[in-house]
Amino acid sequence: EADIYQTPRYLVIGTGKKITLECSQTMGHDKMYWYQQDPGMELHLIHYSYGVNSTEKGDLSSESTVSRIRTEHFPLTLESARPSHTSQYLCASSASGTGTPPNYGYTFGSGTRLTVV
Amino acid sequence: DAKTTQPTSMDCAEGRAANLPCNHSTISGNEYVYWYRQIHSQGPQYIIHGLKNNETNEMASLIITEDRKSSTLILPHATLRDTAVYYCIVRTLNSNSGYALNFGKGTSLLVTP
Repeated sequence: EADIYQTPRYLVIGTGKKITLECSQTMGHDKMYWYQQDPGMELHLIHYSYGVNSTEKGDLSSESTVSRIRTEHFPLTLESARPSHTSQYLCASSASGTGTPPNYGYTFGSGTRLTVV
Repeated sequence: DAKTTQPTSMDCAEGRAANLPCNHSTISGNEYVYWYRQIHSQGPQYIIHGLKNNETNEMASLIITEDRKSSTLILPHATLRDTAVYYCIVRTLNSNSGYALNFGKGTSLLVTP
């Protein structure tokens, strides 16, 4: 079944560690996104990609980096984790949107809850 | 993209219709209205979208006023599992404006027994 997968689901890690949050989708979507959300707060776009080798920063400044070497894979990396990075990270994907009107629906992963201690 | 205004929170009794309003008075002619919901910090889920005609699917109905300055999402028979934050988003569908969605604060809907 076509879906979008995020791992790990939960991560508790010490300050200064390098971490990579994985996101993969099997829908062949060309567009992928990372959002950050603190408990009870808004979703904020931190990175997006419209295709392989294309990445852009979102509205909310983030110390994380992303890469898009394969269509289906969009990992997020923090070189040196800090307590201020504690949050939920949600990955999403969408198709180019065809048809009249296009669904243009986003599909979200289950998220990674990151805690930096 | 046009700005949207939604009530912060709403209550609805189980089994009754939940009517969630959204104001988008600055919407332009080529902008669609999208609704998503987020259940307890899960990833948001697409519900429905429309341009100017009313739309219905297995999840909900979307009523857009004739002047398109506001819309209402209707959950016809709300259940406890419909408790969630509901986001109304107005978007164009072209590469010039990008494809990322701005979710805003949404409406927190509580369905009570």
